[in-house]
Amino acid sequence: DMKVTQMPRYLIKRMGENVLLECGQDMSHETMYWYRQDPGLGLQLIYISYDVDSNSEGDIPKGYRVSRKKREHFSLILDSAKTNQTSVYFCASSSQGEQYFGPGTRLTVL
Amino acid sequence: QQKVQQSPESLIVPEGAMTSLNCTFSDSASQYFAWYRQHSGKAPKALMSIFSNGEKEEGRFTIHLNKASLHFSLHIRDSQPSDSALYLCATNTGANTGKLTFGHGTILRVHP
Repeated sequence: DMKVTQMPRYLIKRMGENVLLECGQDMSHETMYWYRQDPGLGLQLIYISYDVDSNSEGDIPKGYRVSRKKREHFSLILDSAKTNQTSVYFCASSSQGEQYFGPGTRLTVL
Repeated sequence: QQKVQQSPESLIVPEGAMTSLNCTFSDSASQYFAWYRQHSGKAPKALMSIFSNGEKEEGRFTIHLNKASLHFSLHIRDSQPSDSALYLCATNTGANTGKLTFGHGTILRVHP
């Protein structure tokens, strides 16, 4: 069964702290994504990765960076988190256009 | 930049009704059109997709695409309470970057 995993599922951080969100997939998909979802705003693309060390900014990359050192693993990093980065973060991987989403990480920045 | 808009924002229908959700897009070179469904607290999941003009039916769900009108839609026949969810439409850009642009979603509630 194809699967995308995310860790942690819930996270509370203080403003200014660093945040690491991790994503894994077992489908050997080349392309992976990080989105954030806020009420009424749909899914906003933060970064897209086409393969190991081949990353590209999405629509809202400011305040975020990513790392992909293995095809099956894609990390999202927030250096010095801000309160407006409180959101639900989804990772996804894709094949033939269809995207497969992880269960999400609910991040709260106090 | 691709713009995707959905209507209505929310919808309440009785069980057994036909439900119609709409999506408009701005990039006439788009090639992939999809609907994703997201139950409360869960991940979005692909429901149906279409690549060329026309209709595609899978069970109670039908997707219809009209590229000339920059419009596609999802129709749910015999709506069930389990269909209650956030529905997101998505399309790619003509540049084939692998990016999808999602609409803001339609919240559907089907009441028994």
